[in-house]
Amino acid sequence: SQQGEEDPQALSIQEGENATMNCSYKTSINNLQWYRQNSGRGLVHLILIRSNEREKHSGRLRVTLDTSKKSSSLLITASRAADTASYFCATVNTGGFKTIFGAGTRLFVKA
Amino acid sequence: DTAVSQTPKYLVTQMGNDKSIKCEQNLGHDTMYWYKQDSKKFLKIMFSYNNKELIINETVPNRFSPKSPDKAHLNLHINSLELGDSAVYFCASSPQRGVSTDTQYFGPGTRLTVL
Repeated sequence: SQQGEEDPQALSIQEGENATMNCSYKTSINNLQWYRQNSGRGLVHLILIRSNEREKHSGRLRVTLDTSKKSSSLLITASRAADTASYFCATVNTGGFKTIFGAGTRLFVKA
Repeated sequence: DTAVSQTPKYLVTQMGNDKSIKCEQNLGHDTMYWYKQDSKKFLKIMFSYNNKELIINETVPNRFSPKSPDKAHLNLHINSLELGDSAVYFCASSPQRGVSTDTQYFGPGTRLTVL
């Protein structure tokens, strides 16, 4: 099965609400990254969390990492219509350098 | 100033044809990648080059041949196109090989449609 699986697959919320997306993976990792993809565009890096970190913040983004459960979450607070996009987690296995992307969560923020 | 650029943006062609997609990065990065994103949005690594040297070659049909004339360019040539090759192909680059914390910078994608 695929490393880096996100859930939910799709999420629809109202502007101003918080959006939480989860990612699970299967092997030991060096780090986990979150990327965003707007429709018809390439992926854009959002945030990286290392395997020895538990939580990281960047603006309205908060990422957590639980290596015992092999899972991560991305929280977007006070969402905006412009946050509408697909969000992907990406992992690099311990000792490796190949980045593996999950299938993504499609977030739709209604104005 | 575009960091990672790809041409063409759209490519529509008949089965059996041969086509190429070009990628250029002006970031001074050492490592470049080709990814394939299917209709379900799965993004799969195809190839990676570091300073013109092939370092990742996933299980990809040999109809796909990457070429890196220099470290700023990574082109993808596809022979005998098949219906299943229809997808969006993304080029990406990152600063250094083997640095797992490197961020990847993606191009805008090339949407290939095989009829």
